[in-house]
Amino acid sequence: ILNVEQSPQSLHVQEGDSTNFTCSFPSSNFYALHWYRWETAKSPEALFVMTLNGDEKKKGRISATLNTKEGYSYLYIKGSQPEDSATYLCALMNYGGSQGNLIFGKGTKLSVKP
Amino acid sequence: NAGVTQTPKFRILKIGQSMTLQCTQDMNHNYMYWYRQDPGMGLKLIYYSVGAGITDKGEVPNGYNVSRSTTEDFPLRLELAAPSQTSVYFCASRRTVDSGNTIYFGEGSWLTVV
Repeated sequence: ILNVEQSPQSLHVQEGDSTNFTCSFPSSNFYALHWYRWETAKSPEALFVMTLNGDEKKKGRISATLNTKEGYSYLYIKGSQPEDSATYLCALMNYGGSQGNLIFGKGTKLSVKP
Repeated sequence: NAGVTQTPKFRILKIGQSMTLQCTQDMNHNYMYWYRQDPGMGLKLIYYSVGAGITDKGEVPNGYNVSRSTTEDFPLRLELAAPSQTSVYFCASRRTVDSGNTIYFGEGSWLTVV
């Protein structure tokens, strides 16, 4: 069974702090890595889909990097704002799994205090 | 643009009752999924479908059934509700399984079995 690990489990930061989380995954049969942002009572929202080793993607103050050889991805948030408070999920898609299924980590819950 | 719509949003069931979680998408996506999210755990795949008339089991299918009579609809049925099925359920869809394609989620259905 594939395991996707996220750390830390939760994070409390002050407004304006920059922060980052880690997603670790088995590097064999890698196909794609997804990052989602989930606020309770809302739909998880796609942030990034990353496929190539060395990929770096950016969306506003949020960016992500990917290392498929060593099996990790980092998500960075620069200058955190209270509206960034959410659970950040990473998910692995690999060859040979259920059709298009994503294996999710447990998420990192971010709380940003004003 | 409605995207993925799930109903109901909240439901309390008694042990042994049955119910159906409805899911519909208006994006003409072939692939549809049902996940459950338990506290402290990643999203787990219950069932998925690669097109109308085709369904298959995911990681945690026991106690559930699905059908896919149309491209748009993918209902999830609980036949004999058990406390272990207390969870948040997410329906999701995807156009293709190409690596760059993201999954679109509904807003979730909170189910409590007492």
